[in-house]
Amino acid sequence: DSGVTQTPKHLITATGQRVTLRCSPRSGDLSVYWYQQSLDQGLQFLIQYYNGEERAKGNILERFSAQQFPDLHSELNLSSLELGDSALYFCASSPRDSRSSGNTIYFGEGSWLTVV
Amino acid sequence: AQSVAQPEDQVNVAEGNPLTVKCTYSVSGNPYLFWYVQYPNRGLQFLLKYITGDNLVKGSYGFEAEFNKSQTSFHLKKPSALVSDSALYFCAVRDMNSGYSTLTFGKGTMLLVSP
Repeated sequence: DSGVTQTPKHLITATGQRVTLRCSPRSGDLSVYWYQQSLDQGLQFLIQYYNGEERAKGNILERFSAQQFPDLHSELNLSSLELGDSALYFCASSPRDSRSSGNTIYFGEGSWLTVV
Repeated sequence: AQSVAQPEDQVNVAEGNPLTVKCTYSVSGNPYLFWYVQYPNRGLQFLLKYITGDNLVKGSYGFEAEFNKSQTSFHLKKPSALVSDSALYFCAVRDMNSGYSTLTFGKGTMLLVSP
């Protein structure tokens, strides 16, 4: 158990809908990351937050957004869902924004999203 | 930009034999290198990392990896494979000087250990 908690574990929704994925980082971790894992794209970095502020952006679609709250939990919002958005979405956390250190990033178990 | 290549989609090895999962990387500065493992329907579990120092890094479950700067490689190894090692393995890199702490992952290598 990494200490990173993600809900829901599984979600099935229809095209055009909106869903919210929730993540609680490890106790004391300030950085939260979101990754998407799909068969064709592999593991893609979406976005990172550090202590409530956006720190880095990766291949995140404009239909997707995220935020980190004062209690450090994070939510990933996916809207106008398409079939191709079906994937495993991981949240991960690390102690701080380790720009010059080798902090390990710890992953949750993921949220399986199926768009039908 | 930083990138990782895992040249093998799948590695097959018999139980008890040594295993190697290959990884090469590209960064503009010095790398931090990581290995993660993903078991079916599970999240990514951290195995080991190279930050600095000894080129041979030891990690969880008897795995180790050797950092080779001249070959820009960080191959994962285990002296004696177990059937329970069968899983998807990811190599990841972070450029020490990139200004970001995010990891870039390879596409993964499926390790299959036969009894």
